[in-house]
Amino acid sequence: EAQVTQNPRYLITVTGKKLTVTCSQNMNHEYMSWYRQDPGLGLRQIYYSMNVEVTDKGDVPEGYKVSRKEKRNFPLILESPSPNQTSLYFCASRPRMGGDYGYTFGSGTRLTVV
Amino acid sequence: GESVGLHLPTLSVQEGDNSIINCAYSNSASDYFIWYKQESGKGPQFIIDIRSNMDKRQGQRVTVLLNKTVKHLSLQIAATQPGDSAVYFCAENPLTGGFKTIFGAGTRLFVKA
Repeated sequence: EAQVTQNPRYLITVTGKKLTVTCSQNMNHEYMSWYRQDPGLGLRQIYYSMNVEVTDKGDVPEGYKVSRKEKRNFPLILESPSPNQTSLYFCASRPRMGGDYGYTFGSGTRLTVV
Repeated sequence: GESVGLHLPTLSVQEGDNSIINCAYSNSASDYFIWYKQESGKGPQFIIDIRSNMDKRQGQRVTVLLNKTVKHLSLQIAATQPGDSAVYFCAENPLTGGFKTIFGAGTRLFVKA
């Protein structure tokens, strides 16, 4: 089944403790992206990657890092999480950056930073 | 379940009625549009898309209408069912601005049995 897999689904952590949210897709998509979703603010892009070793900032990149060493994986790293990063996170992929393609989204990661 | 938006516009319809969800898009350079459905506790799911050279596209029980003159998109759901209860987002893919997808705020659809 074509899908985007995120882990974990739920995570509670303490301020300053580094964490990684994993994302993997099995569709050979070039383009992958991380979004956060907050009440009243909708989906906001954190980082995106156009292909292996090519990443760029989205609209709200502060406090986050990403890497794209393999085509299928696009982990989101919070080096020093803070309470304002408490949010619902989605990884998404699509065949490429431009063109008539929608996203395939993961199931989401609910992160709480205390 | 997950709360995806505490201040979303809401639409409440009776089971079996038709639903119409509207969206005003922002970029006149957008040439591809998508509707997503997000159920509680899940990620957004692709429902239907439309290119800017079309004004209507039909799927199974869903129809998307595009009015480029007023930059308006609508999603029509026929014979709405309880399983249609969700938040619906429109999204646009502009040709400019790095092809970055722009998501609408969403509309929450409640289906009354």
